[in-house]
Amino acid sequence: AQSVTQPDIHITVSEGASLELRCNYSYGATPYLFWYVQSPGQGLQLLLKYFSGDTLVQGIKGFEAEFKRSQSSFNLRKPSVHWSDAAEYFCAVGLFYGGSQGNLIFGKGTKLSVKP
Amino acid sequence: DTAVSQTPKYLVTQMGNDKSIKCEQNLGHDTMYWYKQDSKKFLKIMFSYNNKELIINETVPNRFSPKSPDKAHLNLHINSLELGDSAVYFCASSPRGVNTEAFFGQGTRLTVV
Repeated sequence: AQSVTQPDIHITVSEGASLELRCNYSYGATPYLFWYVQSPGQGLQLLLKYFSGDTLVQGIKGFEAEFKRSQSSFNLRKPSVHWSDAAEYFCAVGLFYGGSQGNLIFGKGTKLSVKP
Repeated sequence: DTAVSQTPKYLVTQMGNDKSIKCEQNLGHDTMYWYKQDSKKFLKIMFSYNNKELIINETVPNRFSPKSPDKAHLNLHINSLELGDSAVYFCASSPRGVNTEAFFGQGTRLTVV
């Protein structure tokens, strides 16, 4: 069955430190890949997306992600974390079944806390 | 000029009541969704409409009924509310189909007491 795994439930990093959030998926083909961020009490905001082409994608707020087909992974990175990055991060995969059929499946999220 | 807007933002109601949540998008997207986010932040798709046609209808109780009067609106009606329906419900829309990027509303926090 198709699935999205975010192995880390909660990560704490110091402000200014680098960040990597992990995401793995299980799917027979290469899906579309997304990272979203959810601040408390807010909806989800799209950080970046991968459809095809260059496997390193840049997003908003200084985030980037790298698609690695051999590892079925799409990890999110940021070189220097700011206190305002504290939020819940969701990885998602877009699956295509044919015609107008498909689905957008989310991982269970990783909560990021930032220490001053 | 919010892109995806839902009303109400908060909804507190008693068990057994019927309630509706409204969603509107002004992005011109053809695809709209309802997602449920439980207390552990897990997001699960409930329904998806593409140009007013139901595309995804996940296993949700038939007390939940979506209605899409036009492609800019997707409302969610819930009958006979139960305690377990308490959650945050998100409306979203996509420009290019159910497997592409979704733009989310702010959510409706439903509390059933």
